Amino acid sequence: NAGVTQTPKFQVLKTGQSMTLQCAQDMNHNSMYWYRQDPGMGLRLIYYSASEGTTDKGEVPNGYNVSRLNKREFSLRLESAAPSQTSVYFCASTQGAQNIQYFGAGTRLSVL
Amino acid sequence: QKEVEQDPGPLSVPEGAIVSLNCTYSNSAFQYFMWYRQYSRKGPELLMYTYSSGNKEDGRFTAQVDKSSKYISLFIRDSQPSDSATYLCAMRRGGGSNYKLTFGKGTLLTVNP
Repeated sequence: NAGVTQTPKFQVLKTGQSMTLQCAQDMNHNSMYWYRQDPGMGLRLIYYSASEGTTDKGEVPNGYNVSRLNKREFSLRLESAAPSQTSVYFCASTQGAQNIQYFGAGTRLSVL
Repeated sequence: QKEVEQDPGPLSVPEGAIVSLNCTYSNSAFQYFMWYRQYSRKGPELLMYTYSSGNKEDGRFTAQVDKSSKYISLFIRDSQPSDSATYLCAMRRGGGSNYKLTFGKGTLLTVNP
């Protein structure tokens, strides 16, 4: 049982380049989330998708876009990467009424 | 005032010590409280989940919630080097359609053999 799978694990971009971070879950969860984690800042919510076909902004959405491709997959896109987007990005999905979130292993992104 | 405050540490203890980790919060609407453990270069994993005030025990771990004081704690008994990690508190409001968690910034714990 893979749980939440994120790709790639590492990425280095130049300022202005674009890329998409991929996330897939095999637990049949309805809700999915994208967070960024920075030293001293904790986990901050970028976007979330309460169910297939819906997406909503979180705390820090600027500079990002998301697509809920189907129930399993939720992607995060950086259209024009900036050094301030250097971070570790985590995808999570939620189980049932308790809304316990299960996290992927993360993508470490550096923007030069 | 931040919605959730957590002392970032770092906290260093000898093996076998009792560890106390704490968070305070300001939003009285929070009803569900969680502790996540995050090993270095890994994703957070759920450690404890509690609803409303009271204690919950799971092996060496005890989660405590005091809603009147807006204060939650995680106690680790007989701490082991394998407990060395960052511990994140998280909480959310009630209601079936409320999906968002609010996290503390995490406390880095090191247990020395």
